[in-house]
Amino acid sequence: AQTVTQSQPEMSVQEAETVTLSCTYDTSESDYYLFWYKQPPSRQMILVIRQEAYKQQNATENRFSVNFQKAAKSFSLKISDSQLGDAAMYFCAYRSGNTNAGKSTFGDGTTLTVKP
Amino acid sequence: DVKVTQSSRYLVKRTGEKVFLECVQDMDHENMFWYRQDPGLGLRLIYFSYDVKMKEKGDIPEGYSVSREKKERFSLILESASTNQTSMYLCASSPPRPWDTQYFGPGTRLTVL
Repeated sequence: AQTVTQSQPEMSVQEAETVTLSCTYDTSESDYYLFWYKQPPSRQMILVIRQEAYKQQNATENRFSVNFQKAAKSFSLKISDSQLGDAAMYFCAYRSGNTNAGKSTFGDGTTLTVKP
Repeated sequence: DVKVTQSSRYLVKRTGEKVFLECVQDMDHENMFWYRQDPGLGLRLIYFSYDVKMKEKGDIPEGYSVSREKKERFSLILESASTNQTSMYLCASSPPRPWDTQYFGPGTRLTVL
């Protein structure tokens, strides 16, 4: 079974600074997808960024980027120019490339505080 | 925009009651999921469904059952609520492809007294 580990229960960053959230996973599969989701306080969880395991290039979405190290099974999220609206709980998730396996495995989450 | 709605944001029930949590999605997604979110434990999958009347157990199905009679609706049932089922329950839906994102509902915070 796959496992996802987020080793930082809480992180804080100064507004306009850069912060990196860590995620490691364990799998024996070669085909899979990795996701970062954001859950703002009292709001719905939304997708931040997605990475296909077969792609060597790291995914980027505006101020959000990932550092995907497949051999190390590491998938960290970098938030540049942090904004107050980035304050949220962030979840790393793994999803198998087997199309019959629709479910994802989530980490325990990292609560990010942004200081003005 | 995809919309996933859950029948209640807050719910208070008594031990032993039968509890129904409803989830509806409007994007014709094949997959639907029920998660439980507890502090320090992340999201744990209770059940998921990949088609009407089809369901599979997740990681923590004990004490729960589900129903999917229509594609857009996925219900979570607590047959006899217990205090250890006090939690935040999140519903999600997605298309069937593994690279597709999951779309989440706002959550139901259930308290069992």
